[in-house]
Amino acid sequence: SQQGEEDPQALSIQEGENATMNCSYKTSINNLQWYRQNSGRGLVHLILIRSNEREKHSGRLRVTLDTSKKSSSLLITASRAADTASYFCATDAITQGGSEKLVFGKGTKLTVNP
Amino acid sequence: DGGITQSPKYLFRKEGQNVTLSCEQNLNHDAMYWYRQDPGQGLRLIYYSQIVNDFQKGDIAEGYSVSREKKESFPLTVTSAQKNPTAFYLCASGYRGGNEQFFGPGTRLTVL
Repeated sequence: SQQGEEDPQALSIQEGENATMNCSYKTSINNLQWYRQNSGRGLVHLILIRSNEREKHSGRLRVTLDTSKKSSSLLITASRAADTASYFCATDAITQGGSEKLVFGKGTKLTVNP
Repeated sequence: DGGITQSPKYLFRKEGQNVTLSCEQNLNHDAMYWYRQDPGQGLRLIYYSQIVNDFQKGDIAEGYSVSREKKESFPLTVTSAQKNPTAFYLCASGYRGGNEQFFGPGTRLTVL
């Protein structure tokens, strides 16, 4: 089952605007990650935030984590047309065999119009 | 260059055929993963391997098989038992512990 659920499913903005995507999850986590996927390509890791962190920055990216609400947000500031992609959150989980794995949400499709 | 590669990029299969998707990494990662992605959906875990000669079923393993004879390689076979195999398949690798995963470019499989 998919633990992370992104919101909105699709987002269309103008270049220069900020884009905010949200992720909700169901069970306790050790960390939460955000990935980006350009159409027809593999995923690229953007940022990881640990359960004891509340906010993290990387360039134009800002991620927040609220473990009491089981939610995270990804903010992309001053968006560019090249930011057009799908964005996925992923949470860590334990498999039936006791190994760690990632569980991905369905993603937010971001379109940045020039 | 270090990285993770998948081949072929596009694959067409007739019903009833088995096909094997290749995944190779030179990042010295112990863990490797196979995911399936359907249109508008997230990634679903098919199989994973934490170490050579060992692998575990993921959430949707039925109709698939894997092997892990070398650290660098984790091929996925889509068997005729997989009833709806048309999808985008992604391979990933990483260090053991559930942290960052590195993804290959994907293989798009179409059943004719």
